Amino acid sequence: NAGVTQTPKFRVLKTGQSMTLLCAQDMNHEYMYWYRQDPGMGLRLIHYSVGEGTTAKGEVPDGYNVSRLKKQNFLLGLESAAPSQTSVYFCASSQPQFVSGGLTDTQYFGPGTRLTVL
Amino acid sequence: KQEVTQIPAALSVPEGENLVLNCSFTDSAIYNLQWFRQDPGKGLTSLLLIQSSQREQTSGRLNASLDKSSGRSTLYIAASQPGDSATYLCAVHYTGANSKLTFGKGITLSVRP
Repeated sequence: NAGVTQTPKFRVLKTGQSMTLLCAQDMNHEYMYWYRQDPGMGLRLIHYSVGEGTTAKGEVPDGYNVSRLKKQNFLLGLESAAPSQTSVYFCASSQPQFVSGGLTDTQYFGPGTRLTVL
Repeated sequence: KQEVTQIPAALSVPEGENLVLNCSFTDSAIYNLQWFRQDPGKGLTSLLLIQSSQREQTSGRLNASLDKSSGRSTLYIAASQPGDSATYLCAVHYTGANSKLTFGKGITLSVRP
């Protein structure tokens, strides 16, 4: 049981180049998320998905696109990378459940992808 | 605006000390509050989740409390060890349509041998 995995772990791009980050989870979770983490800014949600074939915008979606063609995979694309997209990107998944007492939706995170855009 | 605040940003304590990490949030309408640990260069690991109707959760040497009326949560670490050194993040799941986790910026803890 690998949990949440991300590829690649590191990447350096030149301005204007494109790339796709892959996230995979083996916990059969419905929800998946892409975050970016920047010094002094904390974690910010880019896009998320509540199920196969669905995606939605988060707090900072501009410059990114996503796809959830299979339940276990969530792809994050940068069509034309900019230096402002230099960051550490984290993928997470969860399976929200309403139980007695309320909502439980523990998020499980991948190890991250460190992206530098020159 | 719904926010989560963690102060101070960094904390250094000697080994063996009991310590409290604070988290404050701006709206009492929440589903739950979660505490995460992040080691340098790694992803986040969930430590504890407290549902809206609960007052506290415990796991080993960790105890997290929740006071919705005052907008506060504390993470208590008993008998701290150098291995507890990490960044601890608090995240709140506010209620409302399409709401998602709102994270604090974290507290970087250093436990000195």
